[in-house]
Amino acid sequence: KQEVTQIPAALSVPEGENLVLNCSFTDSAIYNLQWFRQDPGKGLTSLLLIQSSQREQTSGRLNASLDKSSGRSTLYIAASQPGDSATYLCAVLYGQNFVFGPGTRLSVLP
Amino acid sequence: SQTIHQWPATLVQPVGSPLSLECTVEGTSNPNLYWYRQAAGRGLQLLFYSVGIGQISSEVPQNLSASRPQDRQFILSSKKLLLSDSGFYLCAWSPRGGITDTQYFGPGTRLTVL
Repeated sequence: KQEVTQIPAALSVPEGENLVLNCSFTDSAIYNLQWFRQDPGKGLTSLLLIQSSQREQTSGRLNASLDKSSGRSTLYIAASQPGDSATYLCAVLYGQNFVFGPGTRLSVLP
Repeated sequence: SQTIHQWPATLVQPVGSPLSLECTVEGTSNPNLYWYRQAAGRGLQLLFYSVGIGQISSEVPQNLSASRPQDRQFILSSKKLLLSDSGFYLCAWSPRGGITDTQYFGPGTRLTVL
């Protein structure tokens, strides 16, 4: 059974800081890993998708890495902004379905 | 472009009442469809997924059921709601087939059972 965990559960940083969110999964037999953003009371928006054969993906100030053998992924956010405040979830495509982590709630203070 | 709709956006229901949440997808054909529940302080829990009309797979035992009467319509139902059914319900779709698929989420329905 696949389990996904995320550390930390919550994070509060001043504007401008670089930060790292962590995601771990127990079974390395994944097809891909995704990072999502969820604003309060809203649906999820996909940020980055890393295929199992890839090591990292970048989009603007976001960089996600994947180490499948160790069951880890990190989401790096550069020069954080108050608009980055949200919950960030990682999910792995395992078998036919996605398994989600519990999320990291990020607050970027102006 | 593809869009996904959910309604209602919010719902307050008494214990023991029935439930029907609807999800529709536009701009694609033969999608995989998913229902998730997000309870307060917890991650997303996959409830049901469907790979085609009338084909429903359940991930967790509960008093909820799902149906897919049309290719792009997915319905979540209950005959009698429990307090524990409260949560944020999200519908999602993904393209059929392949290992590169992402999931696209609807805006969600906030259900409060009193």
